[in-house]
Amino acid sequence: GQQVMQIPQYQHVQEGEDFTTYCNSSTTLSNIQWYKQRPGGHPVFLIQLVKSGEVKKQKRLTFQFGEAKKNSSLHITATQTTDVGTYFCAAGSARQLTFGSGTQLTVLP
Amino acid sequence: EADIYQTPRYLVIGTGKKITLECSQTMGHDKMYWYQQDPGMELHLIHYSYGVNSTEKGDLSSESTVSRIRTEHFPLTLESARPSHTSQYLCASSEWEGGYTFGSGTRLTVV
Repeated sequence: GQQVMQIPQYQHVQEGEDFTTYCNSSTTLSNIQWYKQRPGGHPVFLIQLVKSGEVKKQKRLTFQFGEAKKNSSLHITATQTTDVGTYFCAAGSARQLTFGSGTQLTVLP
Repeated sequence: EADIYQTPRYLVIGTGKKITLECSQTMGHDKMYWYQQDPGMELHLIHYSYGVNSTEKGDLSSESTVSRIRTEHFPLTLESARPSHTSQYLCASSEWEGGYTFGSGTRLTVV
């Protein structure tokens, strides 16, 4: 599968601050997906990006796919305590996905 | 309601026992997967299937086996459990394009 590196591994923010996690690959990706896993829970699919330079928004979440399709980012504006969890990017073909190592987000009230 | 189900939710078992983790989905998805995940860590693919009678090993070497006799059912079996198998096992399914739907997972402890 395609390898993806995700940074940072951990992020602590004060409630109301913004948060960004990055996903990088040395090869061109066909698509990239983002998942959220709450503590003690299972990954939940958030979004898939396919096109070069694509930007998608879900309320306070903004997802971007780089022009070269080698990197992606997830940005959360004005974090809330409900945003706590681990955010994973995942890339691959229609056959299987490879997940990044995830970014654990802690939101301090 | 279309969903994916895993049982048991928690399992504590002695070394050397044979166990089967169940996974069923009602979405009619051809693709199904088993991932292993230690707490707070990344997901490792251990098995996948593209349809009935199709099974493949994933990137992470595993002593488990799987079967896919029916589209909706993808059980994982450990013939002889060891403490090193202690982990969370996540089952997922998907259509050919699009996101994965994960089950709630089985937290396995081998003592």
